[in-house]
Amino acid sequence: KNQVEQSPQSLIILEGKNCTLQCNYTVSPFSNLRWYKQDTGRGPVSLTIMTFSENTKSNGRYTATLDADTKQSSLHITASQLSDSASYICVVSPARWGFGNVLHCGSGTQVIVLP
Amino acid sequence: GAGVSQSPSNKVTEKGKDVELRCDPISGHTALYWYRQSLGQGLEFLIYFQGNSAPDKSGLPSDRFSAERTGGSVSTLTIQRTQQEDSAVYLCASSPYQGLGAVVVAKNIQYFGAGTRLSVL
Repeated sequence: KNQVEQSPQSLIILEGKNCTLQCNYTVSPFSNLRWYKQDTGRGPVSLTIMTFSENTKSNGRYTATLDADTKQSSLHITASQLSDSASYICVVSPARWGFGNVLHCGSGTQVIVLP
Repeated sequence: GAGVSQSPSNKVTEKGKDVELRCDPISGHTALYWYRQSLGQGLEFLIYFQGNSAPDKSGLPSDRFSAERTGGSVSTLTIQRTQQEDSAVYLCASSPYQGLGAVVVAKNIQYFGAGTRLSVL
């Protein structure tokens, strides 16, 4: 079972509206959680990174929240634009970067913004 | 069914040696991506395949890196004359379809493998 689950799998919204993406994880111990935006055919671009002691982090119209107790994170997109159409991936890093540790990546949420 | 499989899970090599990393995507997935994550860094895009062709090679760090995909399935990432800065986790992802559009929106999701941890001594 994947240790990082994202929902919804896909999302269609109208331009100008807000939306919230969810990421639940079971990775433990936990170091940091990142949200990435990936346009079709391109590499992922980092939006936010949060350690366990941070509750919220903003990057323009993107705001991420983190609840380390419940192991939940959300990414809120405000006043969506057509350029927000992309896949959003949640990535969790274990606490210890040791031999054999790997990243835990969600499958992503595909967002489509319609005019 | 089985997810994306990568091998080996861990690889330790000496500087100057060549290494080959393998990715078995989910059956039927046409798009395949390679990324790497170095210590303390975010995901770094390397290359992606649509079928057997690689329309975007811009992410390959140097000419020591190459990748191929055969039969629209298995892909190998080869690093020649490895350097210590090549040490990273190499991730592979596959996707059923490359493109946007309401019809295929639900399929344009990337499924990641567990990665190959490469250590160059």
